[in-house]
Amino acid sequence: AQSVSQHNHHVILSEAASLELGCNYSYGGTVNLFWYVQYPGQHLQLLLKYFSGDPLVKGIKGFEAEFIKSKFSFNLRKPSVQWSDTAEYFCAVNTRGYGGSQGNLIFGKGTKLSVKP
Amino acid sequence: NAGVMQNPRHLVRRRGQEARLRCSPMKGHSHVYWYRQLPEEGLKFMVYLQKENIIDESGMPKERFSAEFPKEGPSILRIQQVVRGDSAAYFCASSPGQGLSSYNEQFFGPGTRLTVL
Repeated sequence: AQSVSQHNHHVILSEAASLELGCNYSYGGTVNLFWYVQYPGQHLQLLLKYFSGDPLVKGIKGFEAEFIKSKFSFNLRKPSVQWSDTAEYFCAVNTRGYGGSQGNLIFGKGTKLSVKP
Repeated sequence: NAGVMQNPRHLVRRRGQEARLRCSPMKGHSHVYWYRQLPEEGLKFMVYLQKENIIDESGMPKERFSAEFPKEGPSILRIQQVVRGDSAAYFCASSPGQGLSSYNEQFFGPGTRLTVL
């Protein structure tokens, strides 16, 4: 079965530090990849997505992610975090060409990011 | 343009009672997805519906759970005879439904937090 792994459960950084959150998926076929963010008390919002083309994807609020097909990875990065980036980050995948509706997202368990001012 | 609406936001039920969770998709969206988030877990897909049709219910427990998305009105996730293990956050997402479902961004609601006493 397809799965998504986020290796860091909780990351604590100081403001201006660089961020990289890992995401790996297990599926041999073609995938669409997403990062969602959930700020405290708010609902999930899309940060960025990858469908095809340039494997380096830029999202909102200075975030970017790189799809490395050979490593089945889609790591999220930000050069300099701010206190307002404190949130939970979820990596998600949906699979193209895999039976059924192909619409549902498979989520990782999430990474909590705490940024100290 | 209002986002995805879910109600109630918090629901408390005693074991054996029924829980009804409602989701109103964004205006113009015809696809609805339900996900469940257990404590310390990522979101898990439950069911994918279009108006009057269940497209994929592969993530739904076989008993006590049902979902509908009628022609008029919100989508309903119904849990009969709730047990403590049903305590979770239930999220609804909607998408426009144009083209392949796997390419559509899903917009999430704020979730319903179900507590079973």
